[in-house]
Amino acid sequence: DTEVTQTPKHLVMGMTNKKSLKCEQHMGHRAMYWYKQKAKKPPELMFVYSYEKLSINESVPSRFSPECPNSSLLNLHLHALQPEDSALYLCASSQIAGEGQDTQYFGPGTRLTVL
Amino acid sequence: GEDVEQSLFLSVREGDSSVINCTYTDSSSTYLYWYKQEPGAGLQLLTYIFSNMDMKQDQRLTVLLNKKDKHLSLRIADTQTGDSAIYFCAETYNFNKFYFGSGTKLNVKP
Repeated sequence: DTEVTQTPKHLVMGMTNKKSLKCEQHMGHRAMYWYKQKAKKPPELMFVYSYEKLSINESVPSRFSPECPNSSLLNLHLHALQPEDSALYLCASSQIAGEGQDTQYFGPGTRLTVL
Repeated sequence: GEDVEQSLFLSVREGDSSVINCTYTDSSSTYLYWYKQEPGAGLQLLTYIFSNMDMKQDQRLTVLLNKKDKHLSLRIADTQTGDSAIYFCAETYNFNKFYFGSGTKLNVKP
């Protein structure tokens, strides 16, 4: 099973709303990632969690707040977003190290629209 | 590792072979990947190659790696309309950071 699931599939929110994106994997991976992807562009890394601890934050604005409650779940809490934050948000997971084991497996993404 | 380049578009006829090219800059890259992304979907891992390999074949897919020129290619044999998508190459030399190319949009004409 190489499945990463994300909910919701689509999300429309106003600039004053608070919402959360969820990601789940049951592959035993200990690294999980959030990416932002604008149309016709490659994914841009936002956050990396290793062993449930934040290891990389790519200078993401504080209106995005990640959380890793356990090794299978990753959340992205959204608050006071701007219209330019509208994008496809992708979650990925990988094992930490080893031959081929940093291969990242992606979820289907959440299409976020900020009005 | 941050300058991974791909041509933006490729158009082929159904049944022909497609070759998608990628150049990368970091000679210490450990793995190089190809992902496929269909409209509105996430990235699907197609294949990867370890940096000490020159070639890897998996059914219709052939990956060639030229380390001297830092050039990676993906050949799709007998291309089908279902292969129409955006293809991203990616390199990694740090376990947690991927560097993606800009993506090549493959259009397969019937």
